[in-house]
Amino acid sequence: DTGVSQDPRHKITKRGQNVTFRCDPISEHNRLYWYRQTLGQGPEFLTYFQNEAQLEKSRLLSDRFSAERPKGSFSTLEIQRTEQGDSAMYLCASSSSQGANSPLHFGNGTRLTVT
Amino acid sequence: QQQVKQSPQSLIVQKGGISIINCAYENTAFDYFPWYQQFPGKGPALLIAIRPDVSEKKEGRFTISFNKSAKQFSLHIMDSQPGDSATYFCAASRANAGGTSYGKLTFGQGTILTVHP
Repeated sequence: DTGVSQDPRHKITKRGQNVTFRCDPISEHNRLYWYRQTLGQGPEFLTYFQNEAQLEKSRLLSDRFSAERPKGSFSTLEIQRTEQGDSAMYLCASSSSQGANSPLHFGNGTRLTVT
Repeated sequence: QQQVKQSPQSLIVQKGGISIINCAYENTAFDYFPWYQQFPGKGPALLIAIRPDVSEKKEGRFTISFNKSAKQFSLHIMDSQPGDSATYFCAASRANAGGTSYGKLTFGQGTILTVHP
């Protein structure tokens, strides 16, 4: 399968714990995005990387959230001191550099539940 | 801040019927309008997209109609099939500062489509 891969698929954690998610984009894609989707809502943009550079961050990405993409390949999203409001599906997407509106390919997400 | 409003929230059609989902946007700087399909437990997948220089785009059974003056666009699914049952999201974006990406999408709230056999 050469699609976007996310790990883990599900994560249950207690409030106050730190969690880290991983995203492996399609190999030739240099753009990588993180979105968050809560139940019954559309995805919301969190942040965007072009290669290893983080070019844009949403105001939704509080100080407790940090994303990295070392070497411009896989990316990690860490949430520190989790809160119940962080419970959501975290989606990763990637796109190629061939054209500004080359389509986003989404992974199947990591579902986070904070108890 | 809801910049893209989608309706209806849910839609039930019979097999072979036409499904119509509508979206309205506020930000006139948006210039890329995709539709995504999402099945339970899966990420969204791009169905079809349109730029504002055309009023209609058709790909197979899926058609986007776009009305720039009204700031509205819609998805029409012809000959709807049970396999089309999914959640559909409209979205909108504008190019980033460098003009290199339209990937910062603003999504609507979604429409749950059920197609009865």
